[in-house]
Amino acid sequence: EAGVAQSPRYKIIEKRQSVAFWCNPISGHATLYWYQQILGQGPKLLIQFQNNGVVDDSQLPKDRFSAERLKGVDSTLKIQPAKLEDSAVYLCASNGNSYNEQFFGPGTRLTVL
Amino acid sequence: AQRVTQPEKLLSVFKGAPVELKCNYSYSGSPELFWYVQYSRQRLQLLLRHISRESIKGFTADLNKGETSFHLKKPFAQEEDSAMYYCALSGLSGGYNKLIFGAGTRLAVHP
Repeated sequence: EAGVAQSPRYKIIEKRQSVAFWCNPISGHATLYWYQQILGQGPKLLIQFQNNGVVDDSQLPKDRFSAERLKGVDSTLKIQPAKLEDSAVYLCASNGNSYNEQFFGPGTRLTVL
Repeated sequence: AQRVTQPEKLLSVFKGAPVELKCNYSYSGSPELFWYVQYSRQRLQLLLRHISRESIKGFTADLNKGETSFHLKKPFAQEEDSAMYYCALSGLSGGYNKLIFGAGTRLAVHP
């Protein structure tokens, strides 16, 4: 089966600019996750979707981050405006079974200058 | 609070030596524990889960609820085991499972 797709793979922006990331999960997977992984740390969950509804966004900085999953398939994560501390790898993952295994995309490496 | 602690950032061993990657957790209920691995230039992927009680690529991990630990072990390390290893805990949040990751341990296996 095709894996989780993400784009772009790399992005460099200046602080206060906006950026958007795209994720296409594995076909048929109802649950989609966005993680932020800062250098030297493990992935931290930002938001979790079940189909097109949000089930957990408790760690999403809602003043600058937003995410949507229209039609319960693809998802976009946006940062507006970006700060230096947003420099990280943004991972998308999906899950479609009861065994709780998450399948990860390659990630988008964001550098904020 | 739900937390996963991996005390070692780097574990360096020689080929053929035993390996133990430490993981401790904090969780008030019955946790589900996982080890995820990321090889160089590859995606993060599941290595094993405690409920399966299986050995994957020679690795095993036993959940010790008394010590709240889930250490990953392999009796004889191979060079291809060199990777980043993350311990993760699955806990309920709003009725749905969410993964909480440790900071990771880099395993370097030298020839």
